[in-house]
Amino acid sequence: ETGVTQSPTHLIKTRGQQVTLRCSSQSGHNTVSWYQQALGQGPQFIFQYYREEENGRGNFPPRFSGLQFPNYSSELNVNALELDDSALYLCASSLLQALNTEAFFGQGTRLTVV
Amino acid sequence: DQQVKQNSPSLSVQEGRISILNCDYTNSMFDYFLWYKKYPAEGPTFLISISSIKDKNEDGRFTVFLNKSAKHLSLHIVPSQPGDSAVYFCAASANTGNQFYFGTGTSLTVIP
Repeated sequence: ETGVTQSPTHLIKTRGQQVTLRCSSQSGHNTVSWYQQALGQGPQFIFQYYREEENGRGNFPPRFSGLQFPNYSSELNVNALELDDSALYLCASSLLQALNTEAFFGQGTRLTVV
Repeated sequence: DQQVKQNSPSLSVQEGRISILNCDYTNSMFDYFLWYKKYPAEGPTFLISISSIKDKNEDGRFTVFLNKSAKHLSLHIVPSQPGDSAVYFCAASANTGNQFYFGTGTSLTVIP
């Protein structure tokens, strides 16, 4: 077990709605990354937060936004949900100062947009 | 544009034999490579990694080989066990360290 926890585990939303997903980092980790894994694909990088600031962003539109809190927990917010947003959303924590280090993933939140 | 590719979506091997999972990448800036294992309904679990300054890293039954000139890496599992049945993802990062690029995964089935 990695110590990274995500909530909720499953979620069903209607197209056009907004959703907030939550992640608690592994103890001692200061960096949180979010990934989207569509069916049959590998995880795709959404963005990363380090010390409450965005520290890199993948090819996702601005309606995907995030926050990191002083305790290093994080939220992923998605506005104006589209059917293609249906996916497994993964949170990963790591220690940014340690280059070449692995990220530890949570179990994910399965989002279904109908 | 897929910068990390796993061209075999699935692989079946007999228990006790060697499993070889392959991964190719296109970005020459990648300098750190990882393998993750994923069971259904769980997040990816880190398995083994290799830095670009090495060409081999071994951890128990798992060995990762890196061929930088071919932009290719492989994961060897010897001997394979039924508990190894899972989806294996190859991932890579550049020295910014802030983003992993994942392949599409290879589903390994180890037959008892």
